[in-house]
Amino acid sequence: DADVTQTPRNRITKTGKRIMLECSQTKGHDRMYWYRQDPGLGLRLIYYSFDVKDINKGEISDGYSVSRQAQAKFSLSLESAIPNQTALYFCATSDPGRGDNQPQHFGDGTRLSIL
Amino acid sequence: RKEVEQDPGPFNVPEGATVAFNCTYSNSASQSFFWYRQDCRKEPKLLMSVYSSGNEDGRFTAQLNRASQYISLLIRDSKLSDSATYLCVVNMFSSNTGKLIFGQGTTLQVKP
Repeated sequence: DADVTQTPRNRITKTGKRIMLECSQTKGHDRMYWYRQDPGLGLRLIYYSFDVKDINKGEISDGYSVSRQAQAKFSLSLESAIPNQTALYFCATSDPGRGDNQPQHFGDGTRLSIL
Repeated sequence: RKEVEQDPGPFNVPEGATVAFNCTYSNSASQSFFWYRQDCRKEPKLLMSVYSSGNEDGRFTAQLNRASQYISLLIRDSKLSDSATYLCVVNMFSSNTGKLIFGQGTTLQVKP
């Protein structure tokens, strides 16, 4: 089983719909992140959380919200989806307890299309 | 100026070739550096961390030049399976905040 699991893997929906992307992890990491990836732009940080109920905005948080009700789960919501939110979304985790060199571990991604 | 810049390529090389990628970063206080590999439509996977003294993992060598603010990745004896996009990743903050900035990636195509 994957350590970082994202659901759904693919989603097509219409403008104005509310969408929730789920991320769960079995790694026991405190830190969790949501990114989006667009062609030619690389990964951009949307929100991140360092602990349960800790929420921090990333580079591009407008139009998104998140919830961290448990250590293992971090959900991303689009309250009213718009076409320019069409992208590949990744959840990631990291372990803060091992010094500065902290890699992040990614889920398989969610491909989201807003029509 | 982008916080982390990479040449997007693509780099097209024959099997067995040696290829090198560079990446520049803007924040001199950056502390952590990584190379990730991403296959088409897949998640990024950690290839290697980059240490101050440089480090090697099999055919892969990573170097850090703090004075010039760049990191490099050298791949020796390229294999077809090395074809992927290589992401340069930098922790842009001087404290252990765990926030990483990703370059847009350099695409490598290894040809038979």
